[in-house]
Amino acid sequence: GAVVSQHPSRVICKSGTSVKIECRSLDFQATTMFWYRQFPKQSLMLMATSNEGSKATYEQGVEKDKFLINHASLTLSTLTVTSAHPEDSSFYICSVIRDRNTGELFFGEGSRLTVL
Amino acid sequence: EDQVTQSPEALRLQEGESSSLNCSYTVSGLRGLFWYRQDPGKGPEFLFTLYSAGEEKEKERLKATLTKKESFLHITAPKPEDSATYLCAVQRGTSYGKLTFGQGTILTVHP
Repeated sequence: GAVVSQHPSRVICKSGTSVKIECRSLDFQATTMFWYRQFPKQSLMLMATSNEGSKATYEQGVEKDKFLINHASLTLSTLTVTSAHPEDSSFYICSVIRDRNTGELFFGEGSRLTVL
Repeated sequence: EDQVTQSPEALRLQEGESSSLNCSYTVSGLRGLFWYRQDPGKGPEFLFTLYSAGEEKEKERLKATLTKKESFLHITAPKPEDSATYLCAVQRGTSYGKLTFGQGTILTVHP
């Protein structure tokens, strides 16, 4: 069964507005979650690492003030795209590691953001 | 910098026609090489993890192998439902949770 759930699966917003995407781990507690982004016909790229109870760690080139991450509980991380612009339109996917020994990353179904 | 190159970009097969997908990689201190399947508009679905050269893993019609420079995903007697994008990714020993992905191979299996 599914390990990770994301909501919403699709969202369309106007330029300048903010959008929140939720990521939930379904059957275990995740102290760390990972947010990836995939532009059309491109690879997945890690944006940031979400840490429960502390600040997120952002990859080089990702604006932390634009992509706000909140990991308030062991089963929920949220990504807020602030003041969205058309170039932020992308497929945002969260992931978790269920077994640290194997390091296997399980992904959510993704959230398609379209900014008009 | 870690690099992952997948080939071919796209592959069309007839049902039952076996073939292989290639993933060439460069990484400092490989922790694991991962294969995922991604259907359109969906998140990647985990298939395999390989940890060391010479390792092989199988699942139904799929078999993944690993050398020090590349990995192959062999598809035996594919069916139309195997049509998807297959992604390869590597993880460094020091980069917990961070995968470097290739561009993927789009596989289409015709009935």
